Amino acid sequence: SQTIHQWPATLVQPVGSPLSLECTVEGTSNPNLYWYRQAAGRGLQLLFYSVGIGQISSEVPQNLSASRPQDRQFILSSKKLLLSDSGFYLCAWSVASGRSDTQYFGPGTRLTVL
Amino acid sequence: AQSVSQHNHHVILSEAASLELGCNYSYGGTVNLFWYVQYPGQHLQLLLKYFSGDPLVKGIKGFEAEFIKSKFSFNLRKPSVQWSDTAEYFCAASNNAGNMLTFGGGTRLMVKP
Repeated sequence: SQTIHQWPATLVQPVGSPLSLECTVEGTSNPNLYWYRQAAGRGLQLLFYSVGIGQISSEVPQNLSASRPQDRQFILSSKKLLLSDSGFYLCAWSVASGRSDTQYFGPGTRLTVL
Repeated sequence: AQSVSQHNHHVILSEAASLELGCNYSYGGTVNLFWYVQYPGQHLQLLLKYFSGDPLVKGIKGFEAEFIKSKFSFNLRKPSVQWSDTAEYFCAASNNAGNMLTFGGGTRLMVKP
């Protein structure tokens, strides 16, 4: 069966520090991968999605970036965190079927920027 | 622009009460609709989905949702809620042009025992 992992589970970082959040998927190949952010009191906002290695699309301009160095690995990064980057970051995957399909979410990373 | 709206941000019900959470979408063309649920301390998980066919969709744990195209709605219902239904519920939509989901703002449901 497929599983999705995210780490770390929680993170407290000072403003201006770098960020690296990792997401890996097991039990499937060539998945579509997604990064979402859930800010306090708000819904989920799609940040990035990827349909293959090295292929990243950004939905929202910001100081975050994403990379997909391997088929089942998706990394969210920042060179300098802002206070507004605080939130709950969710990684998700779906089958690359060419049509809309169910997305499966990871446990999330709660980021607090102080 | 594509959007999903959930009008109820917080809902408090007593056990055995009936539930209806509103969801409206703004999408051009074919739309796929989802309800996700996030129980306290757990992953976001799929409750039910609509792609085509019968507009009344039944999901897990006794939930159902009805796609009403003329009203651009996909409301979630449960005839009798339980304390264990306390969670945050998200409506989401996408179209067949890609896999990007647009989420509503979420509704926090609290069921009092």
